[in-house]
Amino acid sequence: GNSVTQMEGPVTLSEEAFLTINCTYTATGYPSLFWYVQYPGEGLQLLLKATKADDKGSNKGFEATYRKETTSFHLEKGSVQVSDSAVYFCALSPSNTGNQFYFGTGTSLTVIP
Amino acid sequence: GAGVSQSPSNKVTEKGKDVELRCDPISGHTALYWYRQRLGQGLEFLIYFQGNSAPDKSGLPSDRFSAERTGESVSTLTIQRTQQEDSAVYLCASSLVRADSSEKLFFGSGTQLSVL
Repeated sequence: GNSVTQMEGPVTLSEEAFLTINCTYTATGYPSLFWYVQYPGEGLQLLLKATKADDKGSNKGFEATYRKETTSFHLEKGSVQVSDSAVYFCALSPSNTGNQFYFGTGTSLTVIP
Repeated sequence: GAGVSQSPSNKVTEKGKDVELRCDPISGHTALYWYRQRLGQGLEFLIYFQGNSAPDKSGLPSDRFSAERTGESVSTLTIQRTQQEDSAVYLCASSLVRADSSEKLFFGSGTQLSVL
């Protein structure tokens, strides 16, 4: 079946620290992979995506590389800011299910000054 | 409007009552999704509409839950005989559909349902 497993939170980091949030997936075929972010009091929004193996999605200093060999899509940022405090969701959309989406449980990140 | 609109934004109801939640997707988006987000938990898939195809209802937790969508427009999620465990944020999302499944979801702000 299709599923996403994400690193448990919550995660608390100091400003300018390095961030990694792990995400691994199980899927049939060649899924597209996504990171969505939910800032406090706001709705979910797309942060970045990758549609095929070895693609790197990037946005706002965040990066994630689609690793087919390890079925992973870990989110990284070299220097986090207080404004990055949010809940991050890893998601996949299998290539053969007509745009169905599967989400991880979310990882809460708090960045302290 | 430009985004996905959900109403009401907040709903407080008594246990045993029925509730209806509404979602207006972005115009032209053929795919529409309902998710549930309990406090401190991830997104739980409920139901998926795609054009005129039969909806994917595999995520509906019980027969108290149902949803309808008229064509490619408004969707209504109905919860009958609400229970306290139904308390959650109900999120609606819409998207275009691409053959490679790479299209992103646009989420509404959600309806916070509280069952007393």
